[in-house]
Amino acid sequence: DTAVSQTPKYLVTQMGNDKSIKCEQNLGHDTMYWYKQDSKKFLKIMFSYNNKELIINETVPNRFSPKSPDKAHLNLHINSLELGDSAVYFCASSERGGGPPRETQYFGPGTRLLVL
Amino acid sequence: EDQVTQSPEALRLQEGESSSLNCSYTVSGLRGLFWYRQDPGKGPEFLFTLYSAGEEKEKERLKATLTKKESFLHITAPKPEDSATYLCAVRGPAGNMLTFGGGTRLMVKP
Repeated sequence: DTAVSQTPKYLVTQMGNDKSIKCEQNLGHDTMYWYKQDSKKFLKIMFSYNNKELIINETVPNRFSPKSPDKAHLNLHINSLELGDSAVYFCASSERGGGPPRETQYFGPGTRLLVL
Repeated sequence: EDQVTQSPEALRLQEGESSSLNCSYTVSGLRGLFWYRQDPGKGPEFLFTLYSAGEEKEKERLKATLTKKESFLHITAPKPEDSATYLCAVRGPAGNMLTFGGGTRLMVKP
């Protein structure tokens, strides 16, 4: 029973295409996140959604748009893909506030995006 | 701006050779320092959260400690299965955002 799942695991596409990555969590958390891990392995926050409201947007280009149909899902849509978008994208979830240990973020397995 | 620096970038140990990983941080109002383990091709796996200076947490061969400026992850008598990248992250006062360091890649040889 996977806690945080992502699809697809691998995504190879051409520059200029539009693609989506899906994320689902079955932990009952109310906050979900998207992180980008570049080739140097740095993890950087992109978005956070709490109860379907965007609460963080770390200067990500507007080609990236998170969409949350409900609190168990947070999808990432990317328009006009560029070479520099190649990276591993991780979804995570937690409970907002509430103190430890519920605020711990749990990560999905990642989606490896390669833009050619 | 919150900053996290991990050292060394890579560490090679013989099985049984104890050592420590360092995580130095700058944050205005720490609301948690987190350690994660990441295996190749997988997502980060949660290990510990520390909240205040002097706090310690242990799990099997791992022990995490925290001061006002840094955290250490001590590995006692490591085994090859401890080989992974260890990530440190801090949470500041604004929202739930985590700022990660670059990680330490640990390789334990039998």
